[in-house]
Parts: sequence; structure tokens; C-alpha cells
Amino acid sequence: DAKTTQPNSMESNEEEPVHLPCNHSTISGTDYIHWYRQLPSQGPEYVIHGLTSNVNNRMASLAIAEDRKSSTLILHRATLRDAAVYYCILRPPAAGNKLTFGGGTRVLVKP
Amino acid sequence: DTGVSQNPRHKITKRGQNVTFRCDPISEHNRLYWYRQTLGQGPEFLTYFQNEAQLEKSRLLSDRFSAERPKGSFSTLEIQRTEQGDSAMYLCASGLASAGGTEAFFGQGTRLTVV
Repeated sequence: DAKTTQPNSMESNEEEPVHLPCNHSTISGTDYIHWYRQLPSQGPEYVIHGLTSNVNNRMASLAIAEDRKSSTLILHRATLRDAAVYYCILRPPAAGNKLTFGGGTRVLVKP
Repeated sequence: DTGVSQNPRHKITKRGQNVTFRCDPISEHNRLYWYRQTLGQGPEFLTYFQNEAQLEKSRLLSDRFSAERPKGSFSTLEIQRTEQGDSAMYLCASGLASAGGTEAFFGQGTRLTVV
């Protein structure tokens, strides 16, 4: 499985944007880029995914580099409820769509 | 449908005992996944089903672990002769088979403590 690299942790102030980087230099042309987050004592929760184009939804935006070797998850206005571990995952079309989690980025939101 | 449901939420067992966990996926989802998560780590894939067929098992899944999805609906994960190293959060997820562009929905997990 193609690997992703994320910073271990990031801090943000409440109501400020958060930009979470992810490097995936070995991505293949058919891998989807998925982001999940895990709040304390909860199962992971889907955030957003994309293939080539930037994507927006109610939770976040996903900016994908033109060469697809990196991406950035953008939380536009962080709230205390956004404090979680964020995982960037490459999901190939085959292999049962299983998710291969790395260590993720722990986001701390300060009031 | 309230999402993926896992029972029990917590289980404490003595080493050597057998335990069984249950997962009820979202009803229309044909894929069901089991993951294990230890403290401070991301979830690790264990196995998955498409309908009632178990299509892949991780090398992490020793012979003491068995999973079933008898009618393509709920699934059970059994651990025989539990060991302290089995202590972890066991997560279930469900989704639709796709080319990679659909989301997986996770339950809240079953936390197993082996004493």
C-alpha cells in the first residue's frame, strides 16, 4: 500500500483556519485520497475524499497538488470540537477498499 | 438506521477465556470491516467481508481469531484463549463496494481488556 506522511501534531486557535499537510509521493494514478478523523473515545469518522480535483464539503476542503504527491486538508474555522487525530489515507480501487491508517496528525485547538 | 452498532462497548476478561464481539452494520452496506486499535496507534486492518464471504484476512489475524458474517448482515469476531496482547479497541466499519471513492462508516468500537 502507498504510504502517507503527516506531522505528528499541530496546534490552532479557535475560529482560525487549520491546514493539515499530507505527503504521498508514491501515490498511483488510481488511488483516492481520503481523510478521516478520530475524536477521543470514538471510532474514526469520514471527513472528505478526492481523486484529482479540489473538493469542498460541509466539514472541510481538500486541496490536491497538481502532481498528486501531496494534499492539504483545510478546516476553515476550527472549533474545540475539531480537536482530534486526522488521518490521511490512500485508498486504491482494488484491495477491498480497506483503509490503511498511519499515525495521523493530532490537532489541538486552543480557546 | 442509526449507523454501525457494536456490542458490547467494553469487555474485561481473564487471560485464556474466549470472547465474542458483535457488529451490526448499516443495513444496505455489502462490505464489513474489522480493525484493531491499540493506544496511540492508528487502526490496523484485520479482515473484511463482502456480503457473507470473507475476502481478506490480515497476517495480524492469528488462528485464535475468527470472524463470521453468516447472512451478510451482522458480523461476529471471536477471540479464543485471549492473551494480554489482545487488549485493544476492536472497531467495525461498513460501506459499499466501490472503486475507492466511497466512505466507510465506523462504529464506536469494543474495548477489550485482558487481565
